[in-house]
Amino acid sequence: DAGVTQSPTHLIKTRGQQVTLRCSPKSGHDTVSWYQQALGQGPQFIFQYYEEEERQRGNFPDRFSGHQFPNYSSELNVNALLLGDSALYLCASSLARQFNEKLFFGSGTQLSVL
Amino acid sequence: AQSVTQLGSHVSVSEGALVLLRCNYSSSVPPYLFWYVQYPNQGLQLLLKYTSAATLVKGINGFEAEFKKSETSFHLTKPSAHMSDAAEYFCAVSLNTGGFKTIFGAGTRLFVKA
Repeated sequence: DAGVTQSPTHLIKTRGQQVTLRCSPKSGHDTVSWYQQALGQGPQFIFQYYEEEERQRGNFPDRFSGHQFPNYSSELNVNALLLGDSALYLCASSLARQFNEKLFFGSGTQLSVL
Repeated sequence: AQSVTQLGSHVSVSEGALVLLRCNYSSSVPPYLFWYVQYPNQGLQLLLKYTSAATLVKGINGFEAEFKKSETSFHLTKPSAHMSDAAEYFCAVSLNTGGFKTIFGAGTRLFVKA
């Protein structure tokens, strides 16, 4: 049973460019959450997708957008990259109906903006 | 805003010594609380979660945490540290804001000395 998979594992971009990160949730999971983890900090909630819609959003600008596909996989898009966007981006999956259920995390995509 | 606060960004213990990692939460309703661990270059994995069934929660790898409502705390402990416990530990709270999202503390890095 595959867990949460993310691609790519590493990415280098320059300021002003756009990037797309991808996530496949754990089999059977229908909810995908995205987090940004800067070096030495805890994961910061970006947004959550369920039934192909953004259900909740953290305190991130509109440059951060996402999508969820019918197979529950998800993409995170970041436009007009800034140096401060350099971070580890984590995807986590869960089941929407299980309120107190744990999150399953992928290993993340390390984004470096030069 | 509902959140978690982890006291101490770094904790160092000797192998075999008691591990104590502190977490305080702020919540106006009974919270769903978690501890996650992150090893280098990996995503987060669940150590344990508070489900309100018992105030003392046992997790994997010999860790446990006690929920104390009067102190709004959920500290993580392990009686005897092992070298393999060296990692980053995150306390987290799951919030119901029209759907559940998980918010993480800033993390505590645990160092284990031989």
